[in-house]
Amino acid sequence: KAGVTQTPRYLIKTRGQQVTLSCSPISGHRSVSWYQQTPGQGLQFLFEYFSETQRNKGNFPGRFSGRQFSNSRSEMNVSTLELGDSALYLCASTVQDSYNSPLHFGNGTRLTVT
Amino acid sequence: GNSVTQMEGPVTLSEEAFLTINCTYTATGYPSLFWYVQYPGEGLQLLLKATKADDKGSNKGFEATYRKETTSFHLEKGSVQVSDSAVYFCALSNSGGSNYKLTFGKGTLLTVNP
Repeated sequence: KAGVTQTPRYLIKTRGQQVTLSCSPISGHRSVSWYQQTPGQGLQFLFEYFSETQRNKGNFPGRFSGRQFSNSRSEMNVSTLELGDSALYLCASTVQDSYNSPLHFGNGTRLTVT
Repeated sequence: GNSVTQMEGPVTLSEEAFLTINCTYTATGYPSLFWYVQYPGEGLQLLLKATKADDKGSNKGFEATYRKETTSFHLEKGSVQVSDSAVYFCALSNSGGSNYKLTFGKGTLLTVNP
């Protein structure tokens, strides 16, 4: 069974630009969540989608947005990039809401903003 | 709110040494507790979990016991190997049964020398 796939692996963007990151969950997983990982703040929850609906959102500005498609694939978008947005963005999927359904993470997209 | 505090590294051990990484948490109710591991260049992998007090999670020789009285979930391994070198994250989920929104500790870098 294929794991969670994130594309691209690396991105370099300039301040003020926007970027779109893609995530394909494990087949059959309907919940997709996104995390930001930085050396200073560690891992922080961005948002989660289930059946194309955002169910929960972390404490990030409105420049960070996402969506989920009917095939459960998800994208996240960051507009008006700032230097502080440089981070590893991790996507995770899970099959259902249950204590016995852990998150499965992708290898991440490394975003560098110059 | 929820928070996780884990011992900061880096931790450097010789092969076959005993490992302990401390983790304590603050949360309301009855969270689920997790240890995730991140190898260089990769996303996070679930190492073990415990969903209620006194549960012991175990995997690949690693163990952790959910101690509600001390709000702790310390990770232990009796004999580490070079291949255990990675960053270890303690995390909790307290979202009414949903595991997608995790609160992570800062991570502990473990290096095992031959």
